[in-house]
Amino acid sequence: NAGVTQTPKFQVLKTGQSMTLQCAQDMNHEYMSWYRQDPGMGLRLIHYSVGAGITDQGEVPNGYNVSRSTTEDFPLRLLSAAPSQTSVYFCASSYRQKLFFGSGTQLSVL
Amino acid sequence: EDKVVQSPLSLVVHEGDTVTLNCSYEVTNFRSLLWYKQEKKAPTFLFMLTSSGIEKKSGRLSSILDKKELFSILNITATQTGDSAVYLCAVETTNDYKLSFGAGTTVTVRA
Repeated sequence: NAGVTQTPKFQVLKTGQSMTLQCAQDMNHEYMSWYRQDPGMGLRLIHYSVGAGITDQGEVPNGYNVSRSTTEDFPLRLLSAAPSQTSVYFCASSYRQKLFFGSGTQLSVL
Repeated sequence: EDKVVQSPLSLVVHEGDTVTLNCSYEVTNFRSLLWYKQEKKAPTFLFMLTSSGIEKKSGRLSSILDKKELFSILNITATQTGDSAVYLCAVETTNDYKLSFGAGTTVTVRA
């Protein structure tokens, strides 16, 4: 009954550090995506994948990388963290249009 | 650029009141409109609407889509404190199955 598992739940980084947010789903969904949520701006799509080996950019991809080597996993990498990347990050997988979200990662970049 | 606008941004009601939330959109190649409820953390799916004029209902929540006027409303009747949440509207286009989200409406229900 896991659904979408996202780790870590909280993270504090210094400017310039790199890190990877992990996302795994056990529903065998082909479509996975990463969103960031900032106050007053709703959810904005960072990157998405329509299947293993296929990724594409969303609305706000700069500063982030993704890869999709398996159907289950879709990690998000911050290459060199900046204060503008302070946000709440959600991973989602979807069956058709219905998104199933992970519990989120609250990231602060100092 | 696809645009999804929700109104109001926030509202406060008392238990038992009825709430109406609005979502208007300007997108190319509309495919569907979805409503999500976000309490403390992850949004959860409420409704998906694809056809005009057909009401979707789930308990005290209902939603309808007007594809001619490009908007949807979400109604909550006999509100309870557990309805307090951010309600998100999202629109999917046929271009690439990506969802564009509105900023959300924060609903606070007071006992």
